[in-house]
Amino acid sequence: DADVTQTPRNRITKTGKRIMLECSQTKGHDRMYWYRQDPGLGLRLIYYSFDVKDINKGEISDGYSVSRQAQAKFSLSLESAIPNQTALYFCATSDFGGPANTGELFFGEGSRLTVL
Amino acid sequence: SQQGEEDPQALSIQEGENATMNCSYKTSINNLQWYRQNSGRGLVHLILIRSNEREKHSGRLRVTLDTSKKSSSLLITASRAADTASYFCAPLGNNRLAFGKGNQVVVIP
Repeated sequence: DADVTQTPRNRITKTGKRIMLECSQTKGHDRMYWYRQDPGLGLRLIYYSFDVKDINKGEISDGYSVSRQAQAKFSLSLESAIPNQTALYFCATSDFGGPANTGELFFGEGSRLTVL
Repeated sequence: SQQGEEDPQALSIQEGENATMNCSYKTSINNLQWYRQNSGRGLVHLILIRSNEREKHSGRLRVTLDTSKKSSSLLITASRAADTASYFCAPLGNNRLAFGKGNQVVVIP
């Protein structure tokens, strides 16, 4: 089983619909992240969380919200999806603060979202 | 910005050749990491070099870091078709990793 699991892997929805992307991890890491990837733009940070009670905005948080339900779970919501939120979304965890403490990220396989 | 910027952004080589990618960044860092992404898949960590290191090797990978020039390079030796992927550098500073736009490498069999 993957260490970082994202669901759904693919989703097509319509403008105005509420969408939730879920992420769960078995790495035991405190830090979790949501990134968005668009062609030619690399990865951009949406939100990140350093522990269950900590939520922080990234570069492009407008139009998104998150929930850290437990150490292992971090969900990303689009309250009212719009076409320019069509992208590949990645969840990641980090070992920062752990024994290795390198800041290495461990990524899920991605959730491809299309908003029509 | 802390974001890494890869150069060249696209590279096409023959199998067996070496592939070299460069990365520049603008602020001080704790370490610099390189990641690989196969088409449409999640990124996978390749190698990390700390700010006090100048060179590091892992299998066919060699990474260098020049903090005075704020630059790093990734060399893949004896490339294989399976090395076809996008490669991202990510400097770590202020407890955050900042990814560049990536370097697309195509290895022709």
